[in-house]
Amino acid sequence: GGIITQTPKFLIGQEGQKLTLKCQQNFNHDTMYWYRQDSGKGLRLIYYSITENDLQKGDLSEGYDASREKKSSFSLTVTSAQKNEMAVFLCASSDWGGAQDTQYFGPGTRLLVL
Amino acid sequence: GDSVTQTEGLVTLTEGLPVMLNCTYQSTYSPFLFWYVQHLNEAPKLLLKSFTDNKRPEHQGFHATLHKSSSSFHLQKSSAQLSDSALYYCASGGSNAKLTFGKGTKLSVKS
Repeated sequence: GGIITQTPKFLIGQEGQKLTLKCQQNFNHDTMYWYRQDSGKGLRLIYYSITENDLQKGDLSEGYDASREKKSSFSLTVTSAQKNEMAVFLCASSDWGGAQDTQYFGPGTRLLVL
Repeated sequence: GDSVTQTEGLVTLTEGLPVMLNCTYQSTYSPFLFWYVQHLNEAPKLLLKSFTDNKRPEHQGFHATLHKSSSSFHLQKSSAQLSDSALYYCASGGSNAKLTFGKGTKLSVKS
């Protein structure tokens, strides 16, 4: 078994601020993902990475940057926080990103922008 | 591109009644289908996924049958329990390491 850790759990930012969210996994998985969860909109993929130093854009990458510093960690940066934005950001990982691979999710970071 | 459509919004059931959450997909290939469940204040986790040999996956009383002819993977359970109250996501997986998720269905089971 393994675990995905996301920090911080809660993030309060100011409009225009650059904010960084971090994710660590100890599954030794190759592929990692960042999703945004909004009520009624499902899980939307922001970025994913199939190996260390790889980055692939998802459907919602505008306004975000990502970095896969090493196999176990994947960070996401909100480049300019939008006023009144409220969302949950979920990190996930899978073994090697195959079509039938299970994705394992972290507990999420809840963002609120004042 | 690929898309997944689920029963939208909130489904409210009385305990003991059958559960059916709809999921249909559009894809240019033959994808794998998944159901993920997210209980309140928890992370989403896999509930069940389709098999390559067309066996019906089952877990915790839930089952789903992949019908390629109708592009569907509906989630079913014969008798709802209070603990089944959660957010359910259907997703399809292809050859590029990505899952396409539906918008989610919130199931509320009442006594």
